[in-house]
This record gives sequence, structure tokens and C-alpha cells, in this order.
Amino acid sequence: SAVISQKPSRDICQRGTSLTIQCQVDSQVTMMFWYRQQPGQSLTLIATANQGSEATYESGFVIDKFPISRPNLTFSTLTVSNMSPEDSSIYLCSVGEVDYGYTFGSGTRLTVV
Amino acid sequence: KNEVEQSPQNLTAQEGEFITINCSYSVGISALHWLQQHPGGGIVSLFMLSSGKKKHGRLIATINIQEKHSSLHITASHPRDSAVYICAVRYNNDMRFGAGTRLTVKP
Repeated sequence: SAVISQKPSRDICQRGTSLTIQCQVDSQVTMMFWYRQQPGQSLTLIATANQGSEATYESGFVIDKFPISRPNLTFSTLTVSNMSPEDSSIYLCSVGEVDYGYTFGSGTRLTVV
Repeated sequence: KNEVEQSPQNLTAQEGEFITINCSYSVGISALHWLQQHPGGGIVSLFMLSSGKKKHGRLIATINIQEKHSSLHITASHPRDSAVYICAVRYNNDMRFGAGTRLTVKP
């Protein structure tokens, strides 16, 4: 199955700033997913990142707040913009493969102060 | 009502005990996943099931499609098994996640 390298693993950021999270996959994958896990909660899908087109956002998430890039089939970034303490969460990228199911990155633990 | 329900929410066991975590879902699915999340936040996929039973080391996962129910068993539990275990189902190209079961295994 695919191997995902996600970074940074954690960061502490000032409110009003932005953070870009990167995910690099060791093989070409069609679909990449970005999730948020708020403290004590389960995973919530933010968006699906498609190569060569705009990301598809879930209800409650907008491109201005969470811009996503997908320049090729092995790489994607998620930016958390104009951060507030409510954005403190774990952010995870994931890829889905028919034969192997879903592979997740190691997560980015974001704290906004 | 959540589409994926897990029980128990929290589970504390002594080392060596047999552990069972349950997952019930209410939608038609194409596959069910058991995931393990460690304190740092990273998630590892343990199993992907569409029927029957799978075993990997001390871990066993079963699914009953008719009853819309799956179980994850850990035999001879060990403190390193302490983690959050998440049940997730795939349907209509979407994933739906359970709230997770926090397992603590004490030495």
C-alpha cells in the first residue's frame, strides 16, 4: 500500500496567521483526502483533492479558509488560513486505494494561541 | 443518530486480557475499516473488511453484513496496544467514522 509523508507533525501558531500542511505519497494516487479531527471528536472530511481541478469541499468548509493544492498525483497541501483557537485540531491526509483501503498520514497536531 | 456507532467509548484492561470492541452501522457499505490512532495523532489502517473475518497477529476483525455489525478483538493484550481504535465505513465513495474507542492496557 501507499506510504504517506506528512509534515509538519505539530505546530503552535499565532492567531491570524496561516499554516500549510504537506502530504507526499510514494506512488501516484487519484484521490487524496484531507480530514480534521477536533479534540475528542472523530474525523471529519474537509475536502477531496483532485489533480488538475479544484478540490471538492464538504459542507461547512470553504476554499478561502482551507485552500488546497494538488499539483501532481503524489503531492498535496492544505493551508489553514487566518487561524483562530477553534482551528486547533489534528489534520490528516489520506489516500484511498481499491485493493488496500485507506492509508493515512501521520497527522499534524495544530495548536493556535 | 450517528451512522457508525462504537462501543465502548473507553476501555481499560489488564495486560493479557482479551479485548473486544464493537461497531454497528446503519447504512449499506462497500467496506468497513478498523483504524488505530496513537497519541501523536497518526492513524494506521489495521483491517479492511467486506465479509467474514481477518486475522493479523493478535488482532482479529469480523463482520456480519446482515446484522451491520463488526467486532475487533485483541488477544493477549499488551500496554503497547493502548490507542484509540476507530471503525470507519465506506459507502457511496464516502467514509464515515465512528467516534473511536480509547483503549488503555495496564501492565
